[in-house]
Amino acid sequence: GENVEQHPSTLSVQEGDSAVIKCTYSDSASNYFPWYKQELGKGPQLIIDIRSNVGEKKDQRIAVTLNKTAKHFSLHITETQPEDSAVYFCAASNSNTNAGKSTFGDGTTLTVKP
Amino acid sequence: NAGVTQTPKFRILKIGQSMTLQCTQDMNHNYMYWYRQDPGMGLKLIYYSVGAGITDKGEVPNGYNVSRSTTEDFPLRLELAAPSQTSVYFCASSQGQGAEKLFFGSGTQLSVL
Repeated sequence: GENVEQHPSTLSVQEGDSAVIKCTYSDSASNYFPWYKQELGKGPQLIIDIRSNVGEKKDQRIAVTLNKTAKHFSLHITETQPEDSAVYFCAASNSNTNAGKSTFGDGTTLTVKP
Repeated sequence: NAGVTQTPKFRILKIGQSMTLQCTQDMNHNYMYWYRQDPGMGLKLIYYSVGAGITDKGEVPNGYNVSRSTTEDFPLRLELAAPSQTSVYFCASSQGQGAEKLFFGSGTQLSVL
């Protein structure tokens, strides 16, 4: 089955700096890669996703890049703000199957210091 | 629009007790999922459903059961609770297959003592 590894497990940055979180996956059939943000006491919330036919996607201060050959994808947050502090999870799945299974990384705790 | 609603938010069980975690969604999504989240870990899939009347096992199904009699509801049943089932449980739903664009509930924190 799919295996997703996420690094680093914790990340601390100064407000205004950039943050990068990286994930690798093992199953070459995976073609859908979402990122979720989980604030304390809440469920994860989708912030951005990318499909395997796209190399990069941006949404304001957030971007995701995908390298299919190397089987890794990354989340980039620019101009970080204290409200970006949360746990971020990457995931991978094969949207061409009806199995509906998504494999998650173990999460990165991001702290943005004011 | 409520999205995905889970009840209860917190529960303490004694070893051997049983309980049902409730999950309902009002987005008419076909796909629903149950995950558990242990401290410092990612989400592990327990069971999922691709539509009413259809359920299947995920990565960690032992000790749990599910049913899907309607599109809206996807309850998770714990039989004979064990300390290893202490975790935070999340229900999620999505419209697309392949677990695309999951909408999560706010979770149920369960302790088995």
